[in-house]
Amino acid sequence: QKEVEQNSGPLSVPEGAIASLNCTYSDRGSQSFFWYRQYSGKSPELIMSIYSNGDKEDGRFTAQLNKASQYVSLLIRDSQPSDSATYLCAVFSSNTGKLIFGQGTTLQVKP
Amino acid sequence: DTGVSQDPRHKITKRGQNVTFRCDPISEHNRLYWYRQTLGQGPEFLTYFQNEAQLEKSRLLSDRFSAERPKGSFSTLEIQRTEQGDSAMYLCASSSKREKMDEQYFGPGTRLTVT
Repeated sequence: QKEVEQNSGPLSVPEGAIASLNCTYSDRGSQSFFWYRQYSGKSPELIMSIYSNGDKEDGRFTAQLNKASQYVSLLIRDSQPSDSATYLCAVFSSNTGKLIFGQGTTLQVKP
Repeated sequence: DTGVSQDPRHKITKRGQNVTFRCDPISEHNRLYWYRQTLGQGPEFLTYFQNEAQLEKSRLLSDRFSAERPKGSFSTLEIQRTEQGDSAMYLCASSSKREKMDEQYFGPGTRLTVT
């Protein structure tokens, strides 16, 4: 079992729709959870962090965390073509001091 | 605040040659990380420093790889006797102990091609 799992996609949504990206993790000691956006050929850009159960909203982005289910998600409302990118879920464990990434989900927003 | 910078951005080398990459973290960030990313995969942790101390090394980091952060500021990653399997994007990230220390900010990366 991979430590952090994501569906590689591609996930295709029409412009203006809600995109839902999901991630599961295996280390119950994980304490911090992140979503990074990565455009082709570029480096990852931090877009959301979440530390406690529930929802966290920032503009069009909402991160959701359920530690009991070991599940993190990212919702993107009013998706735009410029949101087309790979979204990486990352999980930090203070036990190991490491940030572990999933393989990423490719999102395609079609005009 | 300027972001994390890396140099060079691209490196093409022949198998067997040594290469060295440099990373300058965000000013006053005391933690510095190195990752490797290949196509279609997420970044893989290689090593990290808190100030000048190297606190963790991945098993991915073979004896041919060495990293330093001599004064707790910039860091270098050296790969000796490069192999074609070393071709990848090498990413550096930094974080601050004082602020949200788990939030890591990445540099633009160094793309290594071994021919």
